[in-house]
Amino acid sequence: NAGVTQTPKFQVLKTGQSMTLQCAQDMNHEYMSWYRQDPGMGLRLIHYSVGAGITDQGEVPNGYNVSRSTTEDFPLRLLSAAPSQTSVYFCASSYSRGVSYNSPLHFGNGTRLTVT
Amino acid sequence: AQSVSQHNHHVILSEAASLELGCNYSYGGTVNLFWYVQYPGQHLQLLLKYFSGDPLVKGIKGFEAEFIKSKFSFNLRKPSVQWSDTAEYFCASKAAGNKLTFGGGTRVLVKP
Repeated sequence: NAGVTQTPKFQVLKTGQSMTLQCAQDMNHEYMSWYRQDPGMGLRLIHYSVGAGITDQGEVPNGYNVSRSTTEDFPLRLLSAAPSQTSVYFCASSYSRGVSYNSPLHFGNGTRLTVT
Repeated sequence: AQSVSQHNHHVILSEAASLELGCNYSYGGTVNLFWYVQYPGQHLQLLLKYFSGDPLVKGIKGFEAEFIKSKFSFNLRKPSVQWSDTAEYFCASKAAGNKLTFGGGTRVLVKP
């Protein structure tokens, strides 16, 4: 299994541009989520999904959209990039419809995004 | 809303020293607690987790954590660190629902 795969690893955008961060998992996990990591603030949940066709907002959803048309994929869209969205983005998944003792989060390797 | 506080942002210590990282959570009900580690350039990996039972939890690589309900704490410890323990450590809590709340992280530098 490849686990959780994120692409691209690095991206530079200009303010106002849009782009999609890709996340795919091959573990048949129901739960998928997107976090952003900023210095001193830990990881903050952007959006999450408990299964195909179901998404919900996390702590910091503004400026981001998600969809979950398949179990495997959970792309994150930046509609109009802003410098405040400069961050490292992590996708994470777990087997059950949520984090449980036997189903911890599995993280991807991250996407480092810079918005100028 | 639940929150997680990690007391130290940066810790520097020498090899063989003991490590203790503080973590406090705010939720007063049933809570699940985790410590994750992020080695330089890598993604987060689970170190250990507490759901119920023995409040002293042992994880991988010699780490352990103690859940003290009365203090809302879940401190991470390792008796003798190695240079390879240089990493950022994140405490996280999960209350009802599917959301994990992370602390701000503690960067640990172990000098050889």
